[in-house]
Amino acid sequence: DVKVTQSSRYLVKRTGEKVFLECVQDMDHENMFWYRQDPGLGLRLIYFSYDVKMKEKGDIPEGYSVSREKKERFSLILESASTNQTSMYLCASRLPGRQGSPLHFGNGTRLTVT
Amino acid sequence: KNQVEQSPQSLIILEGKNCTLQCNYTVSPFSNLRWYKQDTGRGPVSLTIMTFSENTKSNGRYTATLDADTKQSSLHITASQLSDSASYICVVSAVLAGNKLVFGAGTILRVKS
Repeated sequence: DVKVTQSSRYLVKRTGEKVFLECVQDMDHENMFWYRQDPGLGLRLIYFSYDVKMKEKGDIPEGYSVSREKKERFSLILESASTNQTSMYLCASRLPGRQGSPLHFGNGTRLTVT
Repeated sequence: KNQVEQSPQSLIILEGKNCTLQCNYTVSPFSNLRWYKQDTGRGPVSLTIMTFSENTKSNGRYTATLDADTKQSSLHITASQLSDSASYICVVSAVLAGNKLVFGAGTILRVKS
């Protein structure tokens, strides 16, 4: 089974702090994704990566950046955290190029910015 | 605009009863539709995928249907169990560069004894 691990389940940060969310997958998937999940809105794509050192903006990239230095690791960075970034963050990976491949999600990081 | 709408928003049923969750989409051109189950505190897990040529597909007590003409899908749960309590998310894939995924907001199902 694919395992996607997010380093923190809960994080509390102050406004203006730089925040790192880490994600590691163990199935050698090229594609990795960061989503945020808010009640009533569904999952929204922040950034994704097709391969090492490659990144593409998703639907809501403002205020975020990402890093993919190794194939198994995809990091989400909040350069200066704001209260409107309080949310559940989900990392996912999947096999590339196959439209039928499911996303494999981590268990999420619930971030609170005060 | 590509959209996925799910109904109801939430649902409470008694253990052992059946229920049906709905998903309507306007995503075009359509590639496939997938249902995910998200337990509280966990990430979503794929239940089943429906492609254009499939009308019905079962996975244990879960049966998904797809009507590509009306752009509707349903997820039917038979003989519900307490462990079915979760959020069920409908995700539609468009045949576009990057295989864009459009997520519904989910239906929260609570099964009570």
